[in-house]
Amino acid sequence: QKEVEQNSGPLSVPEGAIASLNCTYSDRVSQSFFWYRQYSGKSPELIMSIYSNGDKEDGRFTAQLNKASQYVSLLIRDSQPSDSATYLCAVRAGTYKYIFGTGTRLKVLA
Amino acid sequence: SAVISQKPSRDICQRGTSLTIQCQVDSQVTMMFWYRQQPGQSLTLIATANQGSEATYESGFVIDKFPISRPNLTFSTLTVSNMSPEDSSIYLCSVAGTGNSYEQYFGPGTRLTVT
Repeated sequence: QKEVEQNSGPLSVPEGAIASLNCTYSDRVSQSFFWYRQYSGKSPELIMSIYSNGDKEDGRFTAQLNKASQYVSLLIRDSQPSDSATYLCAVRAGTYKYIFGTGTRLKVLA
Repeated sequence: SAVISQKPSRDICQRGTSLTIQCQVDSQVTMMFWYRQQPGQSLTLIATANQGSEATYESGFVIDKFPISRPNLTFSTLTVSNMSPEDSSIYLCSVAGTGNSYEQYFGPGTRLTVT
C-alpha cells in the first residue's frame, strides 16, 4: 500500500519562528510532490510543488525534497498567526494518481 | 492554475433523497476528481471522472450511490443518491492536467448535511 505519512500535530510555533513540516512517502517511483494549506472550513490550496531533489523557495515558503530518503518538508519562515492551518502533503504516485497525507495542524502563537 | 466553481456551496437534505453537485472549470483540464472530507479528517477520493466514459471508482464507492458524469473537459457532476446521515460531509471537486502541469487544484467544496 502506497502511503504518505505526516505527524498530525498540532505543531505550535511562536510568531516569527520557522515552522518545519515533514512528510515521508513509501513509493520510490513518486515523481511530484505537493504541499497544500487548508484553513478550517475551506478547501485545500496548493502552495508549493517540487519535482527535483533539493530546495525550492517561494516567498516565506521553502520545500525540500530528498528522494533517497523519501522525505519532503516544508519550511515556513517568519511564521504568522495567519499561517495557522492544516498542511497536507501529497505525492503523485502515477500519471494522475495522487496520495495525500492526513495533514499536520500548525498553530502559530501570537 | 484553474478557477473552479461548485454548486451548491451547501445544502441540507432529507434522508432518502438525492443531491447533484456541479463542478465547473474555467479551462479545459485532463483530469477531474471527486473527494469527500469529513470534518477534521483527511481527503478520501471517491472517483475519477472520465470524459466521455464511466467514472473510475475507488474501493468502497459504487456507481449506484455516487453516479458521476463528465460530458466535456470543463464540467462534471456528482450525485449523492438515497442519502443517509452518514453521507453528511464536504464534497470537493478537483482538477489536474492544465497545460503541461500535474498540479491538482481544488474547488471550494459543497457542505452537505443529511437529516
